[in-house]
Amino acid sequence: QKEVEQDPGPLSVPEGAIVSLNCTYSNSAFQYFMWYRQYSRKGPELLMYTYSSGNKEDGRFTAQVDKSSKYISLFIRDSQPSDSATYLCAMIWGSGNTGKLIFGQGTTLQVKP
Amino acid sequence: DTAVSQTPKYLVTQMGNDKSIKCEQNLGHDTMYWYKQDSKKFLKIMFSYNNKELIINETVPNRFSPKSPDKAHLNLHINSLELGDSAVYFCASSQERQWRREQYFGPGTRLTVT
Repeated sequence: QKEVEQDPGPLSVPEGAIVSLNCTYSNSAFQYFMWYRQYSRKGPELLMYTYSSGNKEDGRFTAQVDKSSKYISLFIRDSQPSDSATYLCAMIWGSGNTGKLIFGQGTTLQVKP
Repeated sequence: DTAVSQTPKYLVTQMGNDKSIKCEQNLGHDTMYWYKQDSKKFLKIMFSYNNKELIINETVPNRFSPKSPDKAHLNLHINSLELGDSAVYFCASSQERQWRREQYFGPGTRLTVT
């Protein structure tokens, strides 16, 4: 079993739809939770990060963390074709400069005009 | 200006060859990483360097040897390339903070071993 599970999709939605992307994890030692967005043939870029359980909003994006269920989500409101990308959840294991990011497999999202 | 750059962008080579990938960051960060992304987009850390010192060395064949000549550069040399080494290799950098650990990724080097 992988430490971080993420449905690879692909997920196809019409423009304007609300998108829900999810990850589950098994290691309760994970503390920081992030979402990276990766466009085709590009490197990942940080979209959102959070530490505690609860919601964090940034424009059309909301990150949600439920530590008790070991479940994190990313919601995209009013999705746009420019949101078409692979979304990778990531978590930090360890502390100090030996900490490392553990990534989920990524969910490929396509938003159709 | 490109924050994290990698060369080459594409690399096609035959099994058994030795190749190098170079990475440079101009962000003034003190930590650099190599990641491997396989065909299923699974991204996994290979190495990290902090101030030119090797910090993380995941279970990677010793055919892979990273080298950091200074804080702004991290190169990856691969000996005796195998078919299974075909992947996209990403370099990344970050500045260590207690509360935040954003990593800036390069554009990737797509390695194909034939």
